[in-house]
Order: sequence, then C-alpha cells, then structure tokens
Amino acid sequence: AQSVTQLGSHVSVSEGALVLLRCNYSSSVPPYLFWYVQYPNQGLQLLLKYTSAATLVKGINGFEAEFKKSETSFHLTKPSAHMSDAAEYFCAVKSGDDYKLSFGAGTTVTVRA
Amino acid sequence: DAGITQSPRYKITETGRQVTLMCHQTWSHSYMFWYRQDLGHGLRLIYYSAAADITDKGEVPDGYVVSRSKTENFPLTLESATRSQTSVYFCASSEVWGQYEQYFGPGTRLTVT
Repeated sequence: AQSVTQLGSHVSVSEGALVLLRCNYSSSVPPYLFWYVQYPNQGLQLLLKYTSAATLVKGINGFEAEFKKSETSFHLTKPSAHMSDAAEYFCAVKSGDDYKLSFGAGTTVTVRA
Repeated sequence: DAGITQSPRYKITETGRQVTLMCHQTWSHSYMFWYRQDLGHGLRLIYYSAAADITDKGEVPDGYVVSRSKTENFPLTLESATRSQTSVYFCASSEVWGQYEQYFGPGTRLTVT
C-alpha cells in the first residue's frame, strides 16, 4: 500500500525565510500526491496536488512542490514565510485501488517575527 | 451555503451514551470519508463510502457505525462512547471524476467524560 513519511514534526522559521517541508512517498505506481494545510480549529484545506501533468506544482498562498521520482519525494516550499503560514501541514498519497488517501503524521510550522 | 458541513461542532457526552455526528455535503460527491485526528496519530480513516448504501471499513472502525441512505449525508454513530473516542472528527468528500483530492469539513470536537 502507498504511504507517505513527513520528516520533522515541527519546523520553526523566521518571517521572510524559506519554508521547506519534506515528504517522501512509497508507491509502486505513479502516485497522486497532495499537500494539505490545517489552521487552528479548522478542517484541512488543499494546498496543491501532483497528478503527473508537471513535476513542479504551484499551489495557493505562494506554496509549490516538486515531484522527484528518483528520490520518491514531494517536498513543499515557500520562498518567504509569512506569519499567516503558521499551521499544520499534511502530505498525502492516493492509497489503494479506490479513493482513499494515506496521510503523513503532519508538520507544524511556527513563524517567528 | 455550498460545501461540506458537520454538526455539532462541539459535543460533550458521557461514557456509554450513543452519539451521532452528522456530515452533509452539497456537491453530490460520490465518495465520503470519516477520519479521527489525535495528537501523535495524525489522521486515521474510520469508515468510507463509495455511494449511497455502500460503506466500508477504514483503519480504525471498531466502536463506530455508519450509514448512507442519501448521497449528501454520511452520519457517524458511536454506539456506546468510550473515553478513547475523545477526538476531533473530520468528514471529507471526493468526486468520482476528480483527481482523488478530498474536501474536508470543519470538524467535530468530541469529548467523552
């Protein structure tokens, strides 16, 4: 079954600094990969998705992710962190033959002024 | 409003009581999902449904019951609540003709005393 691993449960960055969240996947077939963001006391919101159309995927709020098949990675980046980026981020992969997703454990981002 | 809603948003109940969490979506998505979110465990799938009257177990189904008589509704019932079921519960939906992304409701915070 497909799965994802998020490296680092917590990331702290300064405002204006690069945000880099790591996600590695295991999949025997071309994967469908997703990044979600969860703000406090809210549901998960789709940031971006990879569906094999392009290896560099641009999402909302200035985030982007690059699919690297050779590294089985789908890392999320944002060039300049903003205070509003403080949230929890989840990487997910389509799991199995149906419409289920398998989620990583999540990475909490803190932004320092 | 269009989208996916959950009710109640907060619920406190006693051990042994039956509790039903409601989920309603206005998109006519075929797939619907129930997750629980606990610190240290990320998101875990409880049950999912591919269409009305079709449901299947996820990763942690014990102690929960679901039904889906209408496409737009997917209630989750805790037949006899236990303290270990204290959690935040999220409902999500996905369309058959999409690219497997799921859309989440705002969540229900359930406390079992």
